Amino acid sequence: SQQGEEDPQALSIQEGENATMNCSYKTSINNLQWYRQNSGRGLVHLILIRSNEREKHSGRLRVTLDTSKKSSSLLITASRAADTASYFCAGTTGANSKLTFGKGITLSVRP
Amino acid sequence: EAGVTQSPTHLIKTRGQQATLRCSPISGHTSVYWYQQALGLGLQFLLWYDEGEERNRGNFPPRFSGRQFPNYSSELNVNALELEDSALYLCASSPLRGAYNQPQHFGDGTRLSIL
Repeated sequence: SQQGEEDPQALSIQEGENATMNCSYKTSINNLQWYRQNSGRGLVHLILIRSNEREKHSGRLRVTLDTSKKSSSLLITASRAADTASYFCAGTTGANSKLTFGKGITLSVRP
Repeated sequence: EAGVTQSPTHLIKTRGQQATLRCSPISGHTSVYWYQQALGLGLQFLLWYDEGEERNRGNFPPRFSGRQFPNYSSELNVNALELEDSALYLCASSPLRGAYNQPQHFGDGTRLSIL
């Protein structure tokens, strides 16, 4: 079963623009994590936001978490062609450290 | 620091055969996770090992099994392979037991193709 549901499913933007991706989830979480996957490769961890945090920054990334709406957003500022990838949100629940993933968002950044 | 390493990179098998996939976690990590990424089904949790024991199992049949060795490396075994087992199998590790607030670090996966 999918914990996260990302929106939109696909996003195409011009280099230099900002990209905003949204994730909604169903059950209470310990944290929400965002991962990037380049075509056919493994996942790269981008950022983790805990359930008691509302916003977190890492370089060009900004993540927000609204536990009342069970939603999160990932903002990539000043996008680059190298940001082209699939992005997944995932969370852990309770004492369980397994990740439950959404279906992912395909981001294309045109040079 | 070496990342999570998986072998082999690609594996081709036929229906009914058995496959063994291997994973070495980042040094110092005790938890190893296995995930399946099949076309159209997304990333599904398979197994979690920590300190040599199976801690959790996803919704997969018993022909998916594995183990964790004393050096924390892990094997995933898939018996009686079926066509729908074709997928990218990803291994991840994390630094602490019960590390539900730690990120997981992924290898590049083993692509298993069933003919």
